[in-house]
Amino acid sequence: AQTVTQSQPEMSVQEAETVTLSCTYDTSENNYYLFWYKQPPSRQMILVIRQEAYKQQNATENRFSVNFQKAAKSFSLKISDSQLGDTAMYFCAFRQSSASKIIFGSGTRLSIRP
Amino acid sequence: NAGVTQTPKFRILKIGQSMTLQCTQDMNHNYMYWYRQDPGMGLKLIYYSVGAGITDKGEVPNGYNVSRSTTEDFPLRLELAAPSQTSVYFCASTKGMGPTGELFFGEGSRLTVL
Repeated sequence: AQTVTQSQPEMSVQEAETVTLSCTYDTSENNYYLFWYKQPPSRQMILVIRQEAYKQQNATENRFSVNFQKAAKSFSLKISDSQLGDTAMYFCAFRQSSASKIIFGSGTRLSIRP
Repeated sequence: NAGVTQTPKFRILKIGQSMTLQCTQDMNHNYMYWYRQDPGMGLKLIYYSVGAGITDKGEVPNGYNVSRSTTEDFPLRLELAAPSQTSVYFCASTKGMGPTGELFFGEGSRLTVL
């Protein structure tokens, strides 16, 4: 069975700093998708960024980028120039390309200090 | 656009009572999911459905039942509520299983079992 592990329950950085959130996963499959979702205090889940395992190039979305290391089964999220609005829970998620089950990690609570 | 709508938003149940959490989406999505999120924790998959008439168990299905009679609706039934089912429940949907398979979430239903 696939598992997703986020080893940092909480992180806190100063506004404008760069922060990296870790995610590792376990799978025997070769084709899959990885996602980072953000859950602000409003509880509404929002997709931040996605990565397809067959693509070697790391995905980027404005200030958000990932470091995808397929051999190491690692999928970290980097937030550059962090803003107060980035304060939220961040969840890493995994889905096999051939399956419909989507599994989430336990989340990292990120606080951005002014 | 309504997206994914969950009702009720809040509910208090007594031990042993039963209830149904409603979820409906207006995006014509085939895939629907129910997750629970315990305080400060990640999302655990309860049940999911790949289309009308098809459902499957997730990571934590015990104590719950689902049905999918239409594409739009995916209700979650709690039978004989227990304190361990106190949680926030999220319904989510996605169009398909391609690389753009972003999950769209409802706002959550907070359930307390006393």
